Amino acid sequence: GQQLNQSPQSMFIQEGEDVSMNCTSSSIFNTWLWYKQEPGEGPVLLIALYKAGELTSNGRLTAQFGITRKDSFLNISASRPSDVGIYFCAGLPSGTYKYIFGTGTRLKVLA
Amino acid sequence: ETGVTQTPRHLVMGMTNKKSLKCEQHLGHNAMYWYKQSAKKPLELMFVYNFKEQTENNSVPSRFSPECPNSSHLFLHLHTLQPEDSALYLCASSQVDGSGAPQETQYFGPGTRLLVL
Repeated sequence: GQQLNQSPQSMFIQEGEDVSMNCTSSSIFNTWLWYKQEPGEGPVLLIALYKAGELTSNGRLTAQFGITRKDSFLNISASRPSDVGIYFCAGLPSGTYKYIFGTGTRLKVLA
Repeated sequence: ETGVTQTPRHLVMGMTNKKSLKCEQHLGHNAMYWYKQSAKKPLELMFVYNFKEQTENNSVPSRFSPECPNSSHLFLHLHTLQPEDSALYLCASSQVDGSGAPQETQYFGPGTRLLVL
């Protein structure tokens, strides 16, 4: 079946540092989504990407749809304690109608 | 209310109980989804409803029974669950075209944290 690898699994960083995480797939995707989930809540959409090479920002967050259409990354600049949570990637494989989710990157920011 | 809402937010039930989870979307979408989220595992798609018709049952045990009375409401009826069914159950909605292809992203509700004793 479809595989979606997300890394790193967890990160502990100092406040103010930049963060980078990525997702890779074994097949081509048409859409990449990045979500953040805080404890006790559902995932909240951060950024949606629809075209290969697309680079999109949302405040301090920047995400890119890889040229090969098999990967995507999310960067967070100047991290804050409020960035703590689990970040999920989700992709829509070409030719399918079901999103596949990564296992998440757990981010902890030390003040 | 805006977005996707779910009730209850927390539920504890015995293995012989019958309970129902409710989801309501206020986004005008025509597709709704149930996902199961267990610790350290990717989100697992359970059911998909497009235009109120069930289009996907991802090999979910019959002790989970979905119901979609209209495009804004989705239920998950629970009966004789097992302890391993304890998880966060997430509802999502999106807009799809006539063939079921997503036209935009999925929006999630806050989830129901279920504990089966």
